[in-house]
Amino acid sequence: EPEVTQTPSHQVTQMGQEVILRCVPISNHLYFYWYRQILGQKVEFLVSFYNNEISEKSEIFDDQFSVERPDGSNFTLKIRSTKLEDSAMYFCASSEAGTNYGYTFGSGTRLTVV
Amino acid sequence: QKEVEQNSGPLSVPEGAIASLNCTYSDRGSQSFFWYRQYSGKSPELIMSIYSNGDKEDGRFTAQLNKASQYVSLLIRDSQPSDSATYLCAVNKRKAGTALIFGKGTTLSVSS
Repeated sequence: EPEVTQTPSHQVTQMGQEVILRCVPISNHLYFYWYRQILGQKVEFLVSFYNNEISEKSEIFDDQFSVERPDGSNFTLKIRSTKLEDSAMYFCASSEAGTNYGYTFGSGTRLTVV
Repeated sequence: QKEVEQNSGPLSVPEGAIASLNCTYSDRGSQSFFWYRQYSGKSPELIMSIYSNGDKEDGRFTAQLNKASQYVSLLIRDSQPSDSATYLCAVNKRKAGTALIFGKGTTLSVSS
């Protein structure tokens, strides 16, 4: 079964450092998303991406966050200057045609900011 | 008012029983409703989607939707210990193609 691949599975970074989280969505999917889940809390929407541009972003997705699809397969989330409160599990997801078909999530990247 | 509300649980049922999970949502324009299962430390896994009022069955799972009451539920028949997980209700926002909003989830524990 096709899957969304995320790397790395776990990343530890110093506060103030930049991190890039990588995702390879399912190949025929057109919509891409980033979500995060702080330990013990709900899954929170960050950003959706379609046709090489951001289609929607949440209040969490401020200027320190950016997304990019640098080639035909990868989808990245960059956090410019990490803060302690950015520590969370970050999930990439993709879907064929928007929310009407649900998402397939990747296995996640656990980001720990120290 | 929270966008998607779920009872956090835990909901404890014996093996073989029916587990009933409930969810309410605030946006009357929402059109797509999903149930995800999340095991501890893992990513959410889609188990059911429902778009129209009424019931939708898939194996041991039945999703129920009542748009007038802004209510979605998930029934799990013949519950198994492997069903022990957190069940997340997710609802799309009014505009098509945008984000899914998740509830906090209900933790289900099935005892053998």
